[in-house]
Amino acid sequence: GESVGLHLPTLSVQEGDNSIINCAYSNSASDYFIWYKQESGKGPQFIIDIRSNMDKRQGQRVTVLLNKTVKHLSLQIAATQPGDSAVYFCAEMLQGAQKLVFGQGTRLTINP
Amino acid sequence: DAGVIQSPRHEVTEMGQEVTLRCKPISGHNSLFWYRQTMMRGLELLIYFNNNVPIDDSGMPEDRFSAKMPNASFSTLKIQPSEPRDSAVYFCASNLNTEAFFGQGTRLTVV
Repeated sequence: GESVGLHLPTLSVQEGDNSIINCAYSNSASDYFIWYKQESGKGPQFIIDIRSNMDKRQGQRVTVLLNKTVKHLSLQIAATQPGDSAVYFCAEMLQGAQKLVFGQGTRLTINP
Repeated sequence: DAGVIQSPRHEVTEMGQEVTLRCKPISGHNSLFWYRQTMMRGLELLIYFNNNVPIDDSGMPEDRFSAKMPNASFSTLKIQPSEPRDSAVYFCASNLNTEAFFGQGTRLTVV
């Protein structure tokens, strides 16, 4: 499989609790941000995105918050489920340049 | 659309051999990205193309690596000669201005 065994920060949460995954991005000029989920053996999958003219965006069970002042992005997952176990990556892009750069990733594990 | 298609899914080769990884992006997407994922470095952007033209190859580790995109529906990443430290999972992704869609990756093992 493909989890690649990364030595990543790990977040462990109880099933049903809310999860908050944080990310610091590097380029203050980036204007588009994406959260991806990567399950074992698969490529990263899109979860939610946000543009720099927003500070919050909600999806189904997920919310992304953007703080441009401190170059910080967070992903909140409500009522975490076993299927949410994965590695989560934030990515930043300067849309004019189309260059998509990924952060380190966080491994989310769910305790029953 | 079947999504981004990469081949092969797995490749085992001997050190010194040439390796070619292939990618078919999603039809209509105008950008294509090659990433490498390893334990030590995470997801690294190697190179990306826009409208079949290489825009930024600053992530390509060395001259042994080369990438081409002869048309809008096909790209290759070649390693020649391959070395054990090239062992990794290589992902191709494509997009049209917004989120990138990833293929399943090619797991390369160089022995």
